[in-house]
Formats: sequence, structure tokens, C-alpha cells
Amino acid sequence: DTAVSQTPKYLVTQMGNDKSIKCEQNLGHDTMYWYKQDSKKFLKIMFSYNNKELIINETVPNRFSPKSPDKAHLNLHINSLELGDSAVYFCASSSSGGDQETQYFGPGTRLLVL
Amino acid sequence: AQKITQTQPGMFVQEKEAVTLDCTYDTSDQSYGLFWYKQPSSGEMIFLIYQGSYDEQNATEGRYSLNFQKARKSANLVISASQLGDSAMYFCAMREVYTLNQFYFGTGTSLTVIP
Repeated sequence: DTAVSQTPKYLVTQMGNDKSIKCEQNLGHDTMYWYKQDSKKFLKIMFSYNNKELIINETVPNRFSPKSPDKAHLNLHINSLELGDSAVYFCASSSSGGDQETQYFGPGTRLLVL
Repeated sequence: AQKITQTQPGMFVQEKEAVTLDCTYDTSDQSYGLFWYKQPSSGEMIFLIYQGSYDEQNATEGRYSLNFQKARKSANLVISASQLGDSAMYFCAMREVYTLNQFYFGTGTSLTVIP
């Protein structure tokens, strides 16, 4: 029954490793997002996909690579993890039907790089 | 320029009192939507309330209301009869009709409800 789900919820890993976070939404939305929330709670947009096409690609190291196999999924792969990548990563989805459409967030993935 | 400005990093309110969280926005679009989200200490982002730029009435959802002043470009969240469970971060956000794929978020306000 979950609207936007992310796995894993917690991720603890060593510097230099490669990891992936998966996101799925069952709301029928056509747009999905990845956000990074740092320790000061700032929410920063990283990527946005509309109908599997990359729409927003903010200034993010190219170690971060999103992949959208279909409209319901948006995964985030991170290569060569660094200490500064430690943060909470949120997946979100929305409809592009109009400015009244809200955004629904997943529960977040807490990434800790040691 | 910042699209969304929240000038109150932290706020305190006595239980059962009302509190207003400020939000100002910057847009040249005629059509846009304004949203408030709550993030409790457990971390999830919860949608609270929406206000459309063409809505003449202020939006209300239970104890939440949005004080929308279009000319001043402000969209303040009012929480009435505060409860301990209202302690959380609150984010204001905007979506413009011509950049539908982007939501602009403020830096958030941390609200603490004091018993």
C-alpha cells in the first residue's frame, strides 16, 4: 500500500565503495526526483525524470548516476563513495498535470560513509 | 534570487497556542502552487497543505491554515492549538506552471512545542 518506497532505509559503507538506492512509486505519477538532505536539513534537488527522460540534472558529481527503467522506478547509483556523500537521500514523485499537484516523498535512505 | 525564503530557523510555541511560520516566494509566473511539508524527527516528509495562486480563499486543513497574501508574495503556515506532536521541521515549497518538473524548497523552520 506504500506510495513511494525506497530501499535500503539505512546504508553504512566504506569510502570508495559503490552503492545503489532503489525507488519505486505506485501512484501512477510520471515524474520522479532524487533529493539530498544534509545535516543542516537543506533539501537539494539532484535529478528529476519525466516519463523516463532526465529533465533536471543539477550540479552533482558524475559519481552519481540515476537510472529510470520505467515510469514507476528511479534508482540512484553512487560510485567511489566519499565522506561528504553522507546524508539522507529522498526519492519523490509527482504528476505533471498542473501546479496543484503535490510531491510525495519516500521514507528516505540514510547513507553513512565511513 | 531565492525562490522560497523562510526567515525563521527556529520557533518555539506553548502547547495549545497558535503559531505562524513565515514563507515568502519569488516568481513572475501567474500560475503557481504553494505547499507546506512537515518533517518530524523520524525523518519522513509529510505533505500538509496546498494553496493555488488563483485561489481566493485561504487553504485550510484541520488545524493548519495558509495565510496567503499574493501581493506581498507570502504564504505563511498557521498552526492552531499546537500539540507536542507538531514539533518538527516545516518546509515551504513552490511549483510554477511553466517549470512543472521542479519544486523549489525553503531552508525550513524548526518548530518546538513546549508543554
